[in-house]
Amino acid sequence: EVQLVESGGGLVQPGGSLRLSCAASGFTFSSYWMSWVRQAPGKGLEWVANIKQDGSEKYYVDSVKGRFTISRDNAKNSLYLQMNSLRAEDTAVYYCAREKANWGSPAYFDYWGQGTLVTVSS
Amino acid sequence: EIVLTQSPGTLSLSPGERATLSCRASQSVSSSYLAWYQQKPGQAPRLLIYGASSRATGIPDRFSGSGSGTDFTLTISRLEPEDFAVYYCQQYGSSPLLTFGGGTKVEIK
Repeated sequence: EVQLVESGGGLVQPGGSLRLSCAASGFTFSSYWMSWVRQAPGKGLEWVANIKQDGSEKYYVDSVKGRFTISRDNAKNSLYLQMNSLRAEDTAVYYCAREKANWGSPAYFDYWGQGTLVTVSS
Repeated sequence: EIVLTQSPGTLSLSPGERATLSCRASQSVSSSYLAWYQQKPGQAPRLLIYGASSRATGIPDRFSGSGSGTDFTLTISRLEPEDFAVYYCQQYGSSPLLTFGGGTKVEIK
């Protein structure tokens, strides 16, 4: 059974940092693109970042470029999101999601974790 | 960036009725690279449709997707009580940069 379990969320002050983790199990983690998707309270879904199977390619939504860094450790079956210079508008539930590839490129999300809440507030 | 606009924002229907949800793209989505998800309160999204019209594993056949280019539709043929939720479309035609629509809430009338 595919499982994705996020951790690391919490309350942080504006300008602060937080590192999210996602523990994957039930599939060959190193064979899949992985993504972070967020959802602000009462709002819709927003793709944040994704990373290729071997970590050689990483992409970000414009609003987090230069502040967030996605990474992975295939030996530990884990995905990470380092979030720096956090702003109030980064407040959201952050989901880890597995991506099905389409001709080698990330496509749609077939499995999701339950999410971890990040609150940026003073 | 491809912007996806979903309509209506809210759809009020009764169980047994047909639901038709629209997703319009700001530019053509190549090869119908569009997916649909269902999200219930407090839960993670669930994949329903990919490739505009292919049902994901375990999805009932009352859910169907259609469309191409800039106009896509999710149809629920007969609403069951468990289908009242929020639905999102997502494009991967501009992969690896991915975008979601704003969502349509299907509520009980």
